[in-house]
Amino acid sequence: GEDVEQSLFLSVREGDSSVINCTYTDSSSTYLYWYKQEPGAGLQLLTYIFSNMDMKQDQRLTVLLNKKDKHLSLRIADTQTGDSAIYFCAGGGRDDKIIFGKGTRLHILP
Amino acid sequence: DTEVTQTPKHLVMGMTNKKSLKCEQHMGHRAMYWYKQKAKKPPELMFVYSYEKLSINESVPSRFSPECPNSSLLNLHLHALQPEDSALYLCASSQVNSGEKLFFGSGTQLSVL
Repeated sequence: GEDVEQSLFLSVREGDSSVINCTYTDSSSTYLYWYKQEPGAGLQLLTYIFSNMDMKQDQRLTVLLNKKDKHLSLRIADTQTGDSAIYFCAGGGRDDKIIFGKGTRLHILP
Repeated sequence: DTEVTQTPKHLVMGMTNKKSLKCEQHMGHRAMYWYKQKAKKPPELMFVYSYEKLSINESVPSRFSPECPNSSLLNLHLHALQPEDSALYLCASSQVNSGEKLFFGSGTQLSVL
């Protein structure tokens, strides 16, 4: 079945750019998503990209999609303390289910 | 209104209790979901309702019983839970169930004693 992999931890200095990477196995996903989860909260849809696009920019967020390598990345420019959270990569799998990666915990250094 | 509202935010229950989790959305979405999330893990799908009919049950034990009274409401009835059922229970909705983007509530943190 669908598998979504991402690194578990990323540490970045405040003001630098953060890049969170994800790989997936199912190329039939129409959309690929990035969700943000702060402690004790639900998941917030951060951004998403159509599978026929290779880049999407939304203010400080840039999503890059390499369909050939099945690689998705999220770049956060000018990382701030409020960006500290867990970021989940997700894609549509078989039976229209959304499959989540294990999540990348982003830690901001002062 | 782009919110999914869940109540209660926190719930502590004994193994013999019966309780219900509630979820509401007013975005006109026709698919609603229950997910279970353990600490430091991704959400795991439990149930999907599509047009008020149960379309996916991910082999969830019968001590969890979902109900969709109408297109805006989703309940999860709990009975005879085990301590290992303690987790964050998340409700989500989407326009339809076809890999569409999910909108999540803030969850109910459940502790079973």
